Amino acid sequence: NAGVTQTPKFRILKIGQSMTLQCTQDMNHNYMYWYRQDPGMGLKLIYYSVGAGITDKGEVPNGYNVSRSTTEDFPLRLELAAPSQTSVYFCASSYSKTGGGYTFGSGTRLTVV
Amino acid sequence: KQEVTQIPAALSVPEGENLVLNCSFTDSAIYNLQWFRQDPGKGLTSLLLIQSSQREQTSGRLNASLDKSSGRSTLYIAASQPGDSATYLCAVMSDYKLSFGAGTTVTVRA
Repeated sequence: NAGVTQTPKFRILKIGQSMTLQCTQDMNHNYMYWYRQDPGMGLKLIYYSVGAGITDKGEVPNGYNVSRSTTEDFPLRLELAAPSQTSVYFCASSYSKTGGGYTFGSGTRLTVV
Repeated sequence: KQEVTQIPAALSVPEGENLVLNCSFTDSAIYNLQWFRQDPGKGLTSLLLIQSSQREQTSGRLNASLDKSSGRSTLYIAASQPGDSATYLCAVMSDYKLSFGAGTTVTVRA
């Protein structure tokens, strides 16, 4: 019963470095999402995908890129990391466009120094 | 743009007391509303989903109401237990995206 798996769980980056946050789901969900959560704030949508090969920007996409080559995987790429990207990142998936079966990963805590 | 507000930001109650958590949203054109639970250092777990056509949804000790026209939802947790200590987040689905409130952090004292 894996659900949504995110790696790594923790990462420290230096300013200007790049990295990819991995997300994979085994529920055959078409819809996948990336969120960030800053302390004391709600989750903000970064990017989402409605199926393999289709992605779109959310509320806070600047500084990030995504791809969706398979149904299972939805990696998030950070280019030229900045301190403002210090946050907890959550990947999620759902089986319907109205949010049925919404399932979250356990998160990646990223610190940029 | 959908704005979701949760009041209070934090709540501390003795064990056995009933909990009342409030959520308000600005745009009533929603598909559904969900309540999530978040434990420290963990992901979110969906507790209840209320469709826009429903007035309430129940699961065990949890009951959530929805008044779409006034942009409000309330989560009731009956007979609270220390294991209910967590952050509870409200999220509304509109334009095929979830918009989250900042959450209410609940502490239940034994």
